Amino acid sequence: AQSVTQLDSQVPVFEEAPVELRCNYSSSVSVYLFWYVQYPNQGLQLLLKYLSGSTLVKSINGFEAEFNKSQTSFHLRKPSVHISDTAEYFCAVGAMKTSYDKVIFGPGTSLSVIP
Amino acid sequence: DAGITQSPRHKVTETGTPVTLRCHQTENHRYMYWYRQDPGHGLRLIHYSYGVKDTDKGEVSDGYSVSRSKTEDFLLTLESATSSQTSVYFCAINRNTGELFFGEGSRLTVL
Repeated sequence: AQSVTQLDSQVPVFEEAPVELRCNYSSSVSVYLFWYVQYPNQGLQLLLKYLSGSTLVKSINGFEAEFNKSQTSFHLRKPSVHISDTAEYFCAVGAMKTSYDKVIFGPGTSLSVIP
Repeated sequence: DAGITQSPRHKVTETGTPVTLRCHQTENHRYMYWYRQDPGHGLRLIHYSYGVKDTDKGEVSDGYSVSRSKTEDFLLTLESATSSQTSVYFCAINRNTGELFFGEGSRLTVL
């Protein structure tokens, strides 16, 4: 079975400062990884994903994450945050067992951008 | 629009009563999921389905059952609701890309 750890439950950061949200996973099989974002009073939406290939993946709004197999990590980074990035961020892992079956989420990190 | 609708969107019920939440998709996808979202726990998988009449348990399946008699519908049933099942419930589909698309959520309050 797979599991996901997000060590930081809350991350306050000043506007235009860099940020890193940490995600570690465990799995006995190969995995695929995601970051989802939930803005206040909204549903979840995909931010970025790693399925295979290049270990560095990027989103359209400036976030990036790097898959590190040796450290079993998939940390999310942004060099300069905006007020609009305030949201809950969830790391998720799925196991490449037979196909796309169950996807497990971490507990989430609440990012608060301070003006 | 991911073509997923959940009903009801809000429900208040009393302890011990049965509750059924419905998830309906218009896209004919094989994989469907039920999650619950609670503060400090993120999203926890309750049950998922990989086809008609094919379902499996997730992380927190105790107290919940599911059924999928048609590709488009995935039902979540609380046979006897308890206060610990007060939560926001999300249904999701997998479009065979690995990415999950979520419904708008169903807020359940058990008094």
